[in-house]
Parts: sequence; C-alpha cells; structure tokens
Amino acid sequence: EAGVTQFPSHSVIEKGQTVTLRCDPISGHDNLYWYRRVMGKEIKFLLHFVKESKQDESGMPNNRFLAERTGGTYSTLKVQPAELEDSGVYFCASSLLGGKGTGELFFGEGSRLTVL
Amino acid sequence: EDQVTQSPEALRLQEGESSSLNCSYTVSGLRGLFWYRQDPGKGPEFLFTLYSAGEEKEKERLKATLTKKESFLHITAPKPEDSATYLCAVQQNSWGKFQFGAGTQVVVTP
Repeated sequence: EAGVTQFPSHSVIEKGQTVTLRCDPISGHDNLYWYRRVMGKEIKFLLHFVKESKQDESGMPNNRFLAERTGGTYSTLKVQPAELEDSGVYFCASSLLGGKGTGELFFGEGSRLTVL
Repeated sequence: EDQVTQSPEALRLQEGESSSLNCSYTVSGLRGLFWYRQDPGKGPEFLFTLYSAGEEKEKERLKATLTKKESFLHITAPKPEDSATYLCAVQQNSWGKFQFGAGTQVVVTP
C-alpha cells in the first residue's frame, strides 16, 4: 500500500515568488493535515481537511497561504507571495476518520521549502 | 493554553545504557497521546498511542507509559539503530489537530 507522498521534496525560490506543494494521502484516509517545522522548532499544525472540507484552519499563519483538497483526494498548499520566514519543512499527514483504527497520523517525508 | 513539553532536548547513550524520555502535557480533554520516531530527512513514524492513565505499550526495546500529566518513553538496552528524534503529540478529540512537543534527539553510540 502506498504511503503519503509529497511533492516536491525540496523547493528553492526567491522572496515574492509562488510555490505550490502537493500531498497525496493514503487511499481511503478522509483526514488530511498540513504541518510545518520551521528552523528546528516543534512541528506546528497548519490546517485539517475532512474529505474536501476545511475542518480547522486555525494554524494558517496568514492569507498568503491557501490550501485546497480537490474532491477529497490530493491536497495542495500554495504560498503566494513567499517570504523568508516561510522557509521550513512542510509535512502532510493523513488518517482514518475519527474512531476508526488507532487514530495515528501517517506522515509523508515532507517538502523542504527554502526562500532566498 | 495547551502545552506539550519534552525533556531532555538531547540524550547521548552508550549502547546498552537504558534511559527514559519525558513528555509532560497540559490539555483539556485528552483523547490520546502519541509517540513518533523521526529519522533525519524523513517524516515522523508512528510508534504508540496511549489513551488513559496507567496504560502501557511495548515494542521491541521501547515501552511507553501514561499518567494524567505526563508520558514516559523507556528505551531498554538501546542499540545504535535506535538513534532518532522521538516526538510526542496529544490529540483532544477523535478528529482534531495533534499538538507536538519539540522532540528529544537520541544518539546511541556503539
């Protein structure tokens, strides 16, 4: 069974440019989360989809970040325009809908974003 | 405010030297506490879920325990391949976000 896949694995852009990160969750996982780790700090929550709906976007830092989940399958996270402080590793994770399984998150390997 | 604090930040062990990592939390209505292992350049990998105080889970050389305020991850007779960053995370409800601690970086030397 394929795990959570993220693309690209590393992106280097200049301040002011746009970057789109993609996440393909495990098939059948209705929960999809975006997290990021900035400068060696703890992994912080960005937002949570249940199927195609945004359940919680309280962690999105500002309106330069836009997340979508088309048809409840893959998700994209767009940063426009990128700022230096957006550099970090963006993780996507998926899980079964509440109460099913042990509830653990399955993580992708992350997309490292470097803004110069 | 909900908090998850892990200690120590880093731990260097000799092979075979057992030790414990701590994860203390303040969160209302804990649904579950999760332990993950993260290797450099990889995403976190699930280890355990603990749901209630007094619960224990074991996997090879790792054992996780939970009280009402903290969780411990015990590493018994570690091997170099146990070197990784160990993360704990708490979840308040069955669909909600996970809040992570900063992690403990463990290095096991032969």
